Amino acid sequence: DAKTTQPPSMDCAEGRAANLPCNHSTISGNEYVYWYRQIHSQGPQYIIHGLKNNETNEMASLIITEDRKSSTLILPHATLRDTAVYYCIVRVANNNAGNMLTFGGGTRLMVKP
Amino acid sequence: NAGVTQTPKFRVLKTGQSMTLLCAQDMNHEYMYWYRQDPGMGLRLIHYSVGEGTTAKGEVPDGYNVSRLKKQNFLLGLESAAPSQTSVYFCASSYSREAFFGQGTRLTVV
Repeated sequence: DAKTTQPPSMDCAEGRAANLPCNHSTISGNEYVYWYRQIHSQGPQYIIHGLKNNETNEMASLIITEDRKSSTLILPHATLRDTAVYYCIVRVANNNAGNMLTFGGGTRLMVKP
Repeated sequence: NAGVTQTPKFRVLKTGQSMTLLCAQDMNHEYMYWYRQDPGMGLRLIHYSVGEGTTAKGEVPDGYNVSRLKKQNFLLGLESAAPSQTSVYFCASSYSREAFFGQGTRLTVV
């Protein structure tokens, strides 16, 4: 699985959009970009994933560059409850060998009033 | 639908003691995983299973054993606990894409 690079921490004002970047320059053609978050030592929570098209769900939007070497997770209106560590993970969707996730250090997002 | 349930939530062990952590999922998922998370770090994979009766080593398997006798349960055992195994342990299950995590077991070895 390709490695990812994320900034260790970011701040965002409550109500503003939070844009979390992720670099994955060695991503392969069949690898997806996944985002999870971990709120205050709870179990990680799935947010969104995508292959090459931009994706949106009720939690967030995922923007993947055309060359797929980087992506941005967007929380459109951040709230205090979005304060968490956000993990960007790249992985083949179904490799029939366990589909395990490899976690890096993530980005610690602090949403401030 | 409870998702992924871990038992116990907290435990203190003395060095050399043994214990088993239980993970149960009610989503009929084939894949299950055990991770550990040390303070300020990301999760690291200990062992995983791709189906009932199968197990495999992850990134940090030493000092741990696992069993998957039933599809819904994945057990993590510590035969002789060491202070280095003080950590928060997370279990997860998945089908092909999204993984679901339990709320963690906070283990302290003194």
